[in-house]
Amino acid sequence: DGGITQSPKYLFRKEGQNVTLSCEQNLNHDAMYWYRQDPGQGLRLIYYSQIVNDFQKGDIAEGYSVSREKKESFPLTVTSAQKNPTAFYLCASRLGGSGYGYTFGSGTRLTVV
Amino acid sequence: AQTVTQSQPEMSVQEAETVTLSCTYDTSESDYYLFWYKQPPSRQMILVIRQEAYKQQNATENRFSVNFQKAAKSFSLKISDSQLGDAAMYFCAYRSFEIQGAQKLVFGQGTRLTINP
Repeated sequence: DGGITQSPKYLFRKEGQNVTLSCEQNLNHDAMYWYRQDPGQGLRLIYYSQIVNDFQKGDIAEGYSVSREKKESFPLTVTSAQKNPTAFYLCASRLGGSGYGYTFGSGTRLTVV
Repeated sequence: AQTVTQSQPEMSVQEAETVTLSCTYDTSESDYYLFWYKQPPSRQMILVIRQEAYKQQNATENRFSVNFQKAAKSFSLKISDSQLGDAAMYFCAYRSFEIQGAQKLVFGQGTRLTINP
């Protein structure tokens, strides 16, 4: 079955460490997105990519980095510059053109210890 | 920039009753999409219903329907015959109609819906 796989489901990070969240899709979708979810704030866009080797900052990109070397993969690195990284992270993808069918992964819960 | 506001952080309803969740948005665009997503305790995002702004008819999906008021920039979700499985966080979301560009979803803050048996 096609879908988006996010791993790991839970992740613990020590302060000062970088950590990478994985997002893989086998839907042949062109666009991919990373959202951060905090209580009471909904989902906020971190980064997005519409094609391979291209990505754009979203509303809260500071302290994060991404890459898009393959169509299927859009990993997110939470760097030590991110001051409050504890959150739930969701990856999403969408077919290109005017399609409005977004598919979401099951998320990664990141906790700084 | 577009914004989406959900003014009800929490709502509760008795099983089998009807509940309406509110959503307002701000945009200068004339064509766009609006969505309601459900996020159960599993945290998987599930599309409940969508509305194209150029359509005057309100969207309906089984027990779920919307009241789309374009001039007022309001997009409420009505859940009829509420069931225990409807308990979840509900998010209202906006997306530009443009074919080019990010076509990102802009989300509201969410409304946590509790169903009382």
